[in-house]
Amino acid sequence: DVKVTQSSRYLVKRTGEKVFLECVQDMDHENMFWYRQDPGLGLRLIYFSYDVKMKEKGDIPEGYSVSREKKERFSLILESASTNQTSMYLCASSIPAGELFFGEGSRLTVL
Amino acid sequence: TQLLEQSPQFLSIQEGENLTVYCNSSSVFSSLQWYRQEPGEGPVLLVTVVTGGEVKKLKRLTFQFGDARKDSSLHITAAQPGDTGLYLCAGFPRTGNQFYFGTGTSLTVIP
Repeated sequence: DVKVTQSSRYLVKRTGEKVFLECVQDMDHENMFWYRQDPGLGLRLIYFSYDVKMKEKGDIPEGYSVSREKKERFSLILESASTNQTSMYLCASSIPAGELFFGEGSRLTVL
Repeated sequence: TQLLEQSPQFLSIQEGENLTVYCNSSSVFSSLQWYRQEPGEGPVLLVTVVTGGEVKKLKRLTFQFGDARKDSSLHITAAQPGDTGLYLCAGFPRTGNQFYFGTGTSLTVIP
């Protein structure tokens, strides 16, 4: 079974803390993505990567950074968490322009 | 502003009823996908359409891509409680490099 695994299902952090969200895929996909999902807004792309050490900004990159040191792993970093970053974060992987395979999501609450 | 607008945003129907969900844009897409997301899970691909006017059937679900490749619809016949979930369309613009997601339609089918 193909799999995208996100490290944490639920996190609670305080304003100003640094947050790491990890994502690992076992399908040897070139592309990996980080989305945030908020009610009524669908999924919005934060960053994506089409190769190791490559990254591209999505629609809402402000306040986030990413790291892709290995093909199978894509990390999302919140340098200083803020309350407006409370959301569901979804990682996905795919071949170029192909089906997106999603992880189960990480629900982050920033107090 | 959203590239893709879905309607309705919420839909609650009785088991056995038919329904249609719409996904509209002013942009032209190379391909369009429909995903279903169940609570606590990531979205899962239902179908990809690539040709204007294309119709695809998946059991009781019928997907149509508009002739101009700017819109799509999902029709469910004789809805069942197992159809409950969030339905998301995602379009790959002809001149883009990523999928853009619609705002989502939350469907509840009451037994």
